[in-house]
Formats: sequence, structure tokens, C-alpha cells
Amino acid sequence: DQQVKQNSPSLSVQEGRISILNCDYTNSMFDYFLWYKKYPAEGPTFLISISSIKDKNEDGRFTVFLNKSAKHLSLHIVPSQPGDSAVYFCAACALYGGSQGNLIFGKGTKLSVKP
Amino acid sequence: EADIYQTPRYLVIGTGKKITLECSQTMGHDKMYWYQQDPGMELHLIHYSYGVNSTEKGDLSSESTVSRIRTEHFPLTLESARPSHTSQYLCASRKPGFMGGYTFGSGTRLTVV
Repeated sequence: DQQVKQNSPSLSVQEGRISILNCDYTNSMFDYFLWYKKYPAEGPTFLISISSIKDKNEDGRFTVFLNKSAKHLSLHIVPSQPGDSAVYFCAACALYGGSQGNLIFGKGTKLSVKP
Repeated sequence: EADIYQTPRYLVIGTGKKITLECSQTMGHDKMYWYQQDPGMELHLIHYSYGVNSTEKGDLSSESTVSRIRTEHFPLTLESARPSHTSQYLCASRKPGFMGGYTFGSGTRLTVV
């Protein structure tokens, strides 16, 4: 059973507009969440993270929002650029639980930013 | 610039062959991981290690084995490759304190024919 769900396999956005990628999780023990970006034939690269004690974290054009009651997080990219076109993976872990911080990943959302 | 290296990047091999996928990191990280990913699917943890001589199986059952004799080296071995092993294999390491998560290698795309 999937613990981290990204229900949109793909998203297409116009350059300059906002991209919103969504992620849901089922395990209430998760207390740390990350977004990774992956280009074809490369490994994922870390983008941004958020701890469960926060509801928002911002880094330049990237902002992650966490709604613990809904077990939902989202990644906002503003403004979107063609170079942002990639697959975005949501990941979660229970840093202080039995899994010792092993990351659980969603299936990814392929973002296409059109010029 | 990558601090974690995987070789080979691509491998096509016949059924029944023994293969070893190499993973090395220069960051001195104790914790290392192997993930398997098929297109459009999540990354599945197949093995992890918290240090030298420590190896554990991950959430996804795998016929592969790993070893950790040196901190910087975490190879994955398939004794007898099968077409069902065709996948992308990603190695990662984690720095102490966790902030920033894992650093991934570029992956090995394995095709078993």
C-alpha cells in the first residue's frame, strides 16, 4: 500500500506561471518531507524540505506547504521556467520512528513548462 | 558536481550472468542506500547500510545482495540476472543530521535480455 501518493502523473504549465505539485501521505508517523527533482538518465537531486513543525518553507522560486491535518503537502514553483521541466518526487520519512529516516517516495509528477 | 559515483551507467546483459553494480561516495557518509525504480513508478528501497559491516534489506524484496567493507563503497550484486531485474538502480548516501536528505548517484540502467 502506497504511503506517499502523487496522484497527478503529469502537469503542463506555461512559462512564467505558477506550477503546483501535490502529494498526499497516509503514515501519521512521517515528520519530515522532501521534494526531489529528476532529469532523465540522472539521479534525483534534492530541492526543498519541510519539517512537520512548520507549515511552510521557502527557497527562492520554490515553496513547500504542509497541511498535517489533511496529510497533504504541495510544492509551488513561481515563476515556472522551461528548465524546471523534470519529474518531481515527493518523499517522506519518520526521522524519530523505527524506520530511522529511510525515505519513502511517491511515483513522481512529470512537469512540462512550455515557453 | 557528483560526490557519489555509480558504474556502469548502462548495462545490457544476458540472463543468468552475475553482475555487480558499483557505488562509491567521497563524502564519508555512514548511511548508504540502494533504490530500484521503474518508469512512472516510485523509488523502492531494496538495501541500506548504516556503516561498515552493516547491511539491511529494504521494503521491496530483492534477489540482489550488498556488502559494505569500506565506508565509501557499497556494491550491489545479482548472482544470476533475469529479465525481471531490468530496471534503474539508484545509489544514495545521507549526511549526518539528515537536513537536505540524500545525495543520489546518476544511476545504472540495467537491461537483462
